[in-house]
Amino acid sequence: QITLKESGPTLVKPTQTLTLTCTFSGFSLSTSGVGVGWIRQPPGKALEWLALIYWDDDKRYSPSLKSRLTITKDTSKNQVVLTMTNMDPVDTATYYCAHSVNTAMAAGYFDYWGQGTLVTVSS
Amino acid sequence: AIRMTQSPSSLSASTGDRVTITCRASQGISSYLAWYQQKPGKAPKLLIYAASTLQSGVPSRFSGSGSGTDFTLTISCLQSEDFATYYCQQYYSYSSWTFGQGTKVEIK
Repeated sequence: QITLKESGPTLVKPTQTLTLTCTFSGFSLSTSGVGVGWIRQPPGKALEWLALIYWDDDKRYSPSLKSRLTITKDTSKNQVVLTMTNMDPVDTATYYCAHSVNTAMAAGYFDYWGQGTLVTVSS
Repeated sequence: AIRMTQSPSSLSASTGDRVTITCRASQGISSYLAWYQQKPGKAPKLLIYAASTLQSGVPSRFSGSGSGTDFTLTISCLQSEDFATYYCQQYYSYSSWTFGQGTKVEIK
């Protein structure tokens, strides 16, 4: 049974750095083809993919946010960490982590999601 | 980046109706398209992947079709629990994943 859960601060101040942790179980991030991604959703708005890390430590970032994002993994702890620098009120959103497995000829869809964590950016 | 455009952005329907949502990609993505259902306050739930393959446990009233740039999600007989927002998502690119803007299915 695959589960994921996000944790981190619920409130950050503008210009601060956000650090979110995704703790998962039921799969290994050292298995070929497996990835963990981060997706966010501002209140009342659409989903936006942020970053993804693969089993082999390959990393992908949203082009529009690449300069502000860092994704890392700790396979021994079954955790993936996302940091986002220079937070702004427009970054207020629910942040989700999700499991992905590459398909034969392309990347993977997100088949298991965490419950999400709401992060508010305000002074 | 590949852009995904859904239509309509919202629709009103009654229980028992047949509902169709479309999703268009800005370039060909073969069949690398997924559909998700999201209810208020909940995480998205995977319904369909590979454009037409039903995820395990998803009712058969949901179906997907299309390839290339044009895709469709159909709910054959709308149930009360289907009122939600639906998103398409492409996973053709290894560099970035993109979602549509969502379609909210509301009760008429």
